[in-house]
Amino acid sequence: QSVLTQPPSASGTPGQRVTISCSGSSSNIGGNVVNWYQQLPGTAPKLLIYSDNQRPSGVPDRFSGSKSGTSASLAISGLQSEDEADYYCAAWDDSLRGRVFGGGTKLTVL
Amino acid sequence: EVQLVESGGGLVQPGGSLGLSCAASGFTFRSYWMSWVRQAPGKGLEWVANIKEDGSEKHYVDSVKGRFTISRDNAKNSLYLRMNSLRPEDTAVYYCARIETAYGGHPWDYWGQGTLVTVSS
Repeated sequence: QSVLTQPPSASGTPGQRVTISCSGSSSNIGGNVVNWYQQLPGTAPKLLIYSDNQRPSGVPDRFSGSKSGTSASLAISGLQSEDEADYYCAAWDDSLRGRVFGGGTKLTVL
Repeated sequence: EVQLVESGGGLVQPGGSLGLSCAASGFTFRSYWMSWVRQAPGKGLEWVANIKEDGSEKHYVDSVKGRFTISRDNAKNSLYLRMNSLRPEDTAVYYCARIETAYGGHPWDYWGQGTLVTVSS
């Protein structure tokens, strides 16, 4: 069981906007920033969002992150077929003194 | 171009040992914290261990403390993970990843392709 809670699946049609939630507690999301990773099938994870809402260079602005209290969200607008992947949130946990992940959300583009 | 290439994975019996390596190139290896992150087959990601730039500080997830040892050789631009007393639940793809401390949240900004470790009799 993961420390951070994500829905196991999400879906949308091309062009749609989808959001993926990540719920935690005061010891992780509530007190530390959240990073998001995208893992395309059969590949290594890739950094998508850091520090709650910052995009590394090369990541399209269709991807955005937000945070409120002990929950964070990843939004993908203008959904494309190549966005079909697993998405993971991650944060530092003050109680566990380590980095923790969500269980991952499998995004399907219908 | 930043590259991280893991090696050393394979099949090992429960209770056995295995050593993983990660060869880094395309950046100043000695200037970065590094990590190992694993992913069990069909499962999510799990952080395993971190090591400071000069190797003076190391952190581990509780489930591997006392069994795994992270180390590095900055002269060889290499990261290592020594795994002892392996258990079936250690079966996973092990990724080497670079920590970018210039970014808030110190995310992993580059990952290797991973190496599979299978613990089974």
